[in-house]
Amino acid sequence: RKEVEQDPGPFNVPEGATVAFNCTYSNSASQSFFWYRQDCRKEPKLLMSVYSSGNEDGRFTAQLNRASQYISLLIRDSKLSDSATYLCVVDNYGQNFVFGPGTRLSVLP
Amino acid sequence: NAGVTQTPKFQVLKTGQSMTLQCAQDMNHNSMYWYRQDPGMGLRLIYYSASEGTTDKGEVPNGYNVSRLNKREFSLRLESAAPSQTSVYFCASKSRQGDLTEAFFGQGTRLTVV
Repeated sequence: RKEVEQDPGPFNVPEGATVAFNCTYSNSASQSFFWYRQDCRKEPKLLMSVYSSGNEDGRFTAQLNRASQYISLLIRDSKLSDSATYLCVVDNYGQNFVFGPGTRLSVLP
Repeated sequence: NAGVTQTPKFQVLKTGQSMTLQCAQDMNHNSMYWYRQDPGMGLRLIYYSASEGTTDKGEVPNGYNVSRLNKREFSLRLESAAPSQTSVYFCASKSRQGDLTEAFFGQGTRLTVV
């Protein structure tokens, strides 16, 4: 079993739709959690950190459930510019980032 | 502010050739990483360096060596390239300020081994 698993995707949604991505992690000692965004043939960039209480940044909402070892990302009112691959990332022992395989999103006009 | 700089951006090698991928960061971060990214596999950690003078193996270290030359630079060496090492390589450095952690990536090196 991979340490970080994500919805396989791809997700194809119309503009304005709401889309949710799910992620599970296997290491209960994981300390910090993130969503990164990666555009085609580009480097990953931080989208948002995920806090235990849940957090929101504009149209993006992230949730963490430590008991279930589950992380989610909700995107509301999808824009064409949201098309990218979304990477779930877990930080173990403060040293090592472990990446999920990513979920590709295509927002269609 | 350059952030993380990787060179080269593209490289084609013949099987058995050697090369070094260079990475430098100007953000004074202690931790630096080398990842490879293959289709459907996500980013996999090759080696990392928690601080100057230390290096540790990641998930897929075989066929690679690293050198943390100083706080700024972390290089990745392929001694005898194999077609299985065809991939996109990303260098990253990580900051930690209190509870806030963020990894910054270089633009990647696209390596093809023929």
